[in-house]
Amino acid sequence: DAGITQSPRHKVTETGTPVTLRCHQTENHRYMYWYRQDPGHGLRLIHYSYGVKDTDKGEVSDGYSVSRSKTEDFLLTLESATSSQTSVYFCAIGLAGGPGIGEQFFGPGTRLTVL
Amino acid sequence: QKEVEQNSGPLSVPEGAIASLNCTYSDRGSQSFFWYRQYSGKSPELIMFIYSNGDKEDGRFTAQLNKASQYVSLLIRDSQPSDSATYLCAVTKGWGKLQFGAGTQVVVTP
Repeated sequence: DAGITQSPRHKVTETGTPVTLRCHQTENHRYMYWYRQDPGHGLRLIHYSYGVKDTDKGEVSDGYSVSRSKTEDFLLTLESATSSQTSVYFCAIGLAGGPGIGEQFFGPGTRLTVL
Repeated sequence: QKEVEQNSGPLSVPEGAIASLNCTYSDRGSQSFFWYRQYSGKSPELIMFIYSNGDKEDGRFTAQLNKASQYVSLLIRDSQPSDSATYLCAVTKGWGKLQFGAGTQVVVTP
């Protein structure tokens, strides 16, 4: 347990509504990540952050935005949810200190269903 | 071609036998390699990492890396029913990012 919590753990919403998922960490890690996991695709990076207010896009960022105003919190927002965003979302913290390192530790996940 | 490729399985292994999982990657610049275990409905859990060519052993797990062949493997010795899970291979991509394979499902049969 790397001190990572995600909320909510389960959510059902309707197409077109905004949704915000929260990731909270207690160990002051600089690097944080949002992934989605779908059958046959493994984990795909949505957005990541390398510090407060420093974020960047991953490979599947369309339809998602993020914010990080405090070290401990990393928020993922679906501006207008679509059924294709039904997935399990994982937050992770990273121990990155250079290109040759990079262990990541995952939160418990959020199962999101968009009807 | 996927950047990180794994056989999806399921890989059926008798209890007590060795499970052998393979992973190939396309980015020659990748420097660190990780194996995660994921039980159904749970989050991925880091079990091994390896940076240098050769073997690295940790308990019943051995990771093997061959950078020239762009190949990393995981051996699980004396497989137990509790080893039944999906195993994800991950490699570093650029600064601070990981690229994951889709995972290999392992089923250990009593």
